Amino acid sequence: EAEVAQSPRYKITEKSQAVAFWCDPISGHATLYWYRQILGQGPELLVQFQDESVVDDSQLPKDRFSAERLKGVDSTLKIQPAELGDSAMYLCASSSPGHSGEKLFFGSGTQLSVL
Amino acid sequence: GNSVTQMEGPVTLSEEAFLTINCTYTATGYPSLFWYVQYPGEGLQLLLKATKADDKGSNKGFEATYRKETTSFHLEKGSVQVSDSAVYFCALSETGAGSYQLTFGKGTKLSVIP
Repeated sequence: EAEVAQSPRYKITEKSQAVAFWCDPISGHATLYWYRQILGQGPELLVQFQDESVVDDSQLPKDRFSAERLKGVDSTLKIQPAELGDSAMYLCASSSPGHSGEKLFFGSGTQLSVL
Repeated sequence: GNSVTQMEGPVTLSEEAFLTINCTYTATGYPSLFWYVQYPGEGLQLLLKATKADDKGSNKGFEATYRKETTSFHLEKGSVQVSDSAVYFCALSETGAGSYQLTFGKGTKLSVIP
């Protein structure tokens, strides 16, 4: 079964350093999402792409976070500089219309620890 | 804005016990409602969904009914198994067709003991 691939699985960094996460959605999925899940909380949407275009980045802290999906396929989320409060699970998801309505698939996430 | 409130955990049950996890929501329109499950070390998986009032979503013995009058979407299962141990998230989506901008609750951790 096709999966949303994310890497790395774990990332430890020091504050003020730059970090980047990568996501490869399921083939053919035009819509891609990045969510952040702080420990003990539900995921919160950071950014949504439709193909290579940003549809919604209203919750993305743009002073330090950036996201791109240059060819409308895989995507990179970057944080520079990282802060202690950025420690969280970063989840990527992709979706595409299906026979029974649109289906959304999540990757396993990248667990970020900022020291 | 939209919000989802679900019962705080953790919830610990014995195998074959009845499960209820409460979920209520606040939305400006007519959202679709979802339950997602996260097993240890894995990503979120859709458990069930309902798209309009009085719809019942069901999967793997779990059920939830979309109650517009009480703005609720409680998750139930008649007989839980050890393999049901996971974190359960209630969520809503109010964006139009073609988008899955989800608002999640904080999650409820369920532990089922033999």
